[in-house]
Amino acid sequence: AQSVTQPDIHITVSEGASLELRCNYSYGATPYLFWYVQSPGQGLQLLLKYFSGDTLVQGIKGFEAEFKRSQSSFNLRKPSVHWSDAAEYFCAVYGQNFVFGPGTRLSVLP
Amino acid sequence: GAVVSQHPSWVICKSGTSVKIECRSLDFQATTMFWYRQFPKQSLMLMATSNEGSKATYEQGVEKDKFLINHASLTLSTLTVTSAHPEDSSFYICSARRGSSYEQYFGPGTRLTVT
Repeated sequence: AQSVTQPDIHITVSEGASLELRCNYSYGATPYLFWYVQSPGQGLQLLLKYFSGDTLVQGIKGFEAEFKRSQSSFNLRKPSVHWSDAAEYFCAVYGQNFVFGPGTRLSVLP
Repeated sequence: GAVVSQHPSWVICKSGTSVKIECRSLDFQATTMFWYRQFPKQSLMLMATSNEGSKATYEQGVEKDKFLINHASLTLSTLTVTSAHPEDSSFYICSARRGSSYEQYFGPGTRLTVT
């Protein structure tokens, strides 16, 4: 069975600071990996995805993520956070089916 | 491209009534659509997967007689919550998959409140 963990329930950073959101997965093979962002009361927007190839993936809004097979991780990063980045972030894995992590809520201090 | 809409965006209904939520892929044909449920401050839980023209596949623990899913065409899937109760109040999100792609495109969600 596949699973996704996001160890940080809530992270607070100052605007302009760097950000890293952690995601670990469990799956027997290399899964397809996704990061989504959800603003309050809204649907999900795809930030980036990894299927194969280069393990450093660039996404929208200045986000990037790195797939590390040895650590079963797919951490999301942004070098400089903007106040508008405050939202809920979900890591998701597609192996046999689509499984979402529990989410990490990002707060941004002015 | 790859826009998914949901209607209504929010709905309030009385206990015991039924409510239908529509999910449409606006600019592509969706071979598969998914329905998720999200409780406040929680992640998305897959309820069911539907393919056009065939019966939906429900996840374990989801009552198929309560949550009726109809995938009538390649651009429309509906979720009907029958005999709704307050515990059915939740945020329902649909997604659609285009062709054989693994990527899912999500709708904006429907907030259901049962009084």
